[in-house]
Amino acid sequence: GESVGLHLPTLSVQEGDNSIINCAYSNSASDYFIWYKQESGKGPQFIIDIRSNMDKRQGQRVTVLLNKTVKHLSLQIAATQPGDSAVYFCAENGFGNEKLTFGTGTRLTIIP
Amino acid sequence: EADIYQTPRYLVIGTGKKITLECSQTMGHDKMYWYQQDPGMELHLIHYSYGVNSTEKGDLSSESTVSRIRTEHFPLTLESARPSHTSQYLCASSERVPTDTQYFGPGTRLTVL
Repeated sequence: GESVGLHLPTLSVQEGDNSIINCAYSNSASDYFIWYKQESGKGPQFIIDIRSNMDKRQGQRVTVLLNKTVKHLSLQIAATQPGDSAVYFCAENGFGNEKLTFGTGTRLTIIP
Repeated sequence: EADIYQTPRYLVIGTGKKITLECSQTMGHDKMYWYQQDPGMELHLIHYSYGVNSTEKGDLSSESTVSRIRTEHFPLTLESARPSHTSQYLCASSERVPTDTQYFGPGTRLTVL
């Protein structure tokens, strides 16, 4: 079936450096993509989203890039801080699909 | 900050007990969801609802049941808890339009002894 998967299960980044978290999806009908951040003991928190008619979207210290040709999504976090340590999930929602499909998750650790 | 609440946050119970996990949202969202998540693992959708009196089973089979009598309330019930039900249960809600961004509650960590 259709799936959303992440390339790396863990990522360690030095504080102050930039981090990039990748996500591959297989549903060519995917229309809407979301990145969530989940800190230990908490529910996932919305970070940023992007629609399939866009290639790039920026937020505060975060940028999401969408490459529809290779079905690839990435989350860039600039100037990482200790509070960025968490598990990051990508999720996609195909057009007309009432549900989100979540990826496995990448654990980001910021090294002081 | 999303206004979605779950109680209890932590629950430890014995095998065979009946439990209800509460979820409430004050955003007037039509759609609500229940996910099951083991530590460090992906989320699995177990139930969802499009609105009052609507409930659907999710992608992961679950022995739990849900009800949606009021828009803001989406409780999940286990009639007879077993150790295999030990997990984190996350509730979420979303608007139908313009996006399906889901907003999550803090979760209930359930341990069945």
